[in-house]
Amino acid sequence: DAGVIQSPRHEVTEMGQEVTLRCKPISGHDYLFWYRQTMMRGLELLIYFNNNVPIDDSGMPEDRFSAKMPNASFSTLKIQPSEPRDSAVYFCASTWAGQKIHTFGSGTRLTVV
Amino acid sequence: SQKIEQNSEALNIQEGKTATLTCNYTNYSPAYLQWYRQDPGRGPVFLLLIRENEKEKRKERLKVTFDTTLKQSLFHITASQPADSATYLCALPYSSASKIIFGSGTRLSIRP
Repeated sequence: DAGVIQSPRHEVTEMGQEVTLRCKPISGHDYLFWYRQTMMRGLELLIYFNNNVPIDDSGMPEDRFSAKMPNASFSTLKIQPSEPRDSAVYFCASTWAGQKIHTFGSGTRLTVV
Repeated sequence: SQKIEQNSEALNIQEGKTATLTCNYTNYSPAYLQWYRQDPGRGPVFLLLIRENEKEKRKERLKVTFDTTLKQSLFHITASQPADSATYLCALPYSSASKIIFGSGTRLSIRP
C-alpha cells in the first residue's frame, strides 16, 4: 500500500481564494482524520470521519472550513474564503476500528498571502 | 480540561548518550499512550504504544514507561545517534477510542 496520500504538497494562494486539500486514506481503513499543525498550536484535530460519516467536527475553526468524504477512498478539506491565519501544514491520517495507531500522510503546506 | 505537556525546550544530547523525553498529562485517565516521531516536512510516524496496565515497553533502542499515578510517560532512546534527531510527540485517546490528541512535541538533536 502507498500509505495515506495527500495533494497538493504545497499550496500558495491569495487571501479570499478557495482552497481544496485532498486525501486518499489507506485501503481498508474506516477512520479518516484531518489535522492542522502550526508552531503556536501544535497538531490540532479538525474533524474525523468513520465509514465516510463525519463524527466530530468540533475542531473546525469556523464556517469557512468544510470537509467531505464522498467515498471510502477520498476526502477533501475546503477553506473558503482563505485567510493568512489559515497558513499551516494540514495532515490527513487514517486508521481502522481495531487499531489505535494513526498513519499520517506527508501533509499539505498551505500559505495564504 | 484535558492537557498534555511535553518539554517545550529542545533537547540536545551527545551521540551515544541516553535521551529521555517527558510527557505529562492532567485531568485524564487514558487507557493507553502513544509516541510518534516527526521529521521536518513529514507527517508523524508511530513508534510505540503502552497500555495503562503496562509499566514499561521496549523496542530496539527505545523504551517507554507509563506511570498512571504520576500521570507521566518517559520516552528513552539509548545509544543515541544523529539519525534519532527529530521531534517526538506523545498522544493520548480522547473521549472515543479512535480520537487521539497530541502533545506539542519535543525537538531532539543528537550531536556527533
